[in-house]
Amino acid sequence: DIQMTQSPSTLSASVGDRVTITCRASQSINNYLAWYQQKPGKAPKLLIYQASSLQSGVPSRFSGSGSGTGFTLTISNLQPDDFATYYCQQYNSYSLTFGGGTKVEIK
Amino acid sequence: EVQLVESGGGLVQPGGSLRLSCEASGFTCSDHYMDWVRQAPGKGLEWVARSRNKANSYTTEYAASVKGRFTISRDNSKNFLYLQMNSLTTEDTAVYYCARVRDSDGWFPFDYWGQGTLVTVSS
Repeated sequence: DIQMTQSPSTLSASVGDRVTITCRASQSINNYLAWYQQKPGKAPKLLIYQASSLQSGVPSRFSGSGSGTGFTLTISNLQPDDFATYYCQQYNSYSLTFGGGTKVEIK
Repeated sequence: EVQLVESGGGLVQPGGSLRLSCEASGFTCSDHYMDWVRQAPGKGLEWVARSRNKANSYTTEYAASVKGRFTISRDNSKNFLYLQMNSLTTEDTAVYYCARVRDSDGWFPFDYWGQGTLVTVSS
């Protein structure tokens, strides 16, 4: 299975900050990489697909980049609603796998 | 409006069985790949199983951790997705989500998720 490693596991930030989360795959996944946001007690929400495409309805302060094995999610101008846990996921091959998650906390 | 509603979770003893259901509405279920994803309490997301769409003959894939114990199936006439879970262990305790793949082929992630149903395996 392809291992997905996210860093950091926790990130403390303030409203208005620019934050970057990294996801590394154990082998090339082409651009078949998605980012999700999850809040406590809720299902994940798709933010980014194909590494850099913004899902419909997602604010433009969210952006994704990368290819091959290294990917980043950037949130510019962090808003109160953005404090949550973020997961990357590869869908290049089975088993589909997720990163361990990054919790974005209020500093 | 696309909606996915899971049901069937509950408390079951180790070695027992349970069948989860997911009712889909607002779209043609047979056009989409449909999956189950789980999340153990306080842990991350783990993909469980996939049912491809009608164009791909509803073929299936499973995570190694559940292969041979879990079976994913559909009733497309009723827009239902199922997960039959047998030989359950405490490691299977999790919230189980039903999720729709974004487009009509497998090379997309999940754009809609249900609210989840909790399965607790304990004696």
